[in-house]
Amino acid sequence: GQNIDQPTEMTATEGAIVQINCTYQTSGFNGLFWYQQHAGEAPTFLSYNVLDGLEEKGRFSSFLSRSKGYSYLLLKELQMKDSASYLCAVRDPTGGGNKLTFGTGTQLKVEL
Amino acid sequence: DAEITQSPRHKITETGRQVTLACHQTWNHNNMFWYRQDLGHGLRLIHYSYGVQDTNKGEVSDGYSVSRSNTEDLPLTLESAASSQTSVYFCASSEAGTDTQYFGPGTRLTVL
Repeated sequence: GQNIDQPTEMTATEGAIVQINCTYQTSGFNGLFWYQQHAGEAPTFLSYNVLDGLEEKGRFSSFLSRSKGYSYLLLKELQMKDSASYLCAVRDPTGGGNKLTFGTGTQLKVEL
Repeated sequence: DAEITQSPRHKITETGRQVTLACHQTWNHNNMFWYRQDLGHGLRLIHYSYGVQDTNKGEVSDGYSVSRSNTEDLPLTLESAASSQTSVYFCASSEAGTDTQYFGPGTRLTVL
């Protein structure tokens, strides 16, 4: 089975740093994705981790620990436009293929 | 530029009617996916395809069907629309051998 947990909501201040956590329990694992979704829009790809460690991409970084079933997305120098839902998704190769299972998302609100 | 489009963007229909949602991508991706997104459930996989003539059921496939007659299109059909199928529907595609999925703009479907 698949179980992916993320906090439902978070609030942070413009210019600050925020960490959004994701824990997963899946029958198989072959990579974890983070997507950003603004209200009324499509999800857009942010990052992909398949090996343990930190992947940095500008203001956004993503970390993975496979042994702990844990990932986080780190957003630095927060801007108002970062207010969005952040979706964690796990690729489970069980049964073959490239299917993703998504968490329910973390709604981030950035305030002045 | 290559892209993925969905049509219509908004649709209102009545219970019991057959509805088809279109998805078209110009990336020449082999993999295509249909999701529905509802509050509290996140993105859930309905059907997916890894190539022409290939279709597979996702976790919430009851009441839906797809067909893949060419690389570019994966239409989603609701055989007999039900109010429980009121949702936002997203189509996505990915290149064979990679797992990053790119999403279309979504279709908001209301079944009355």
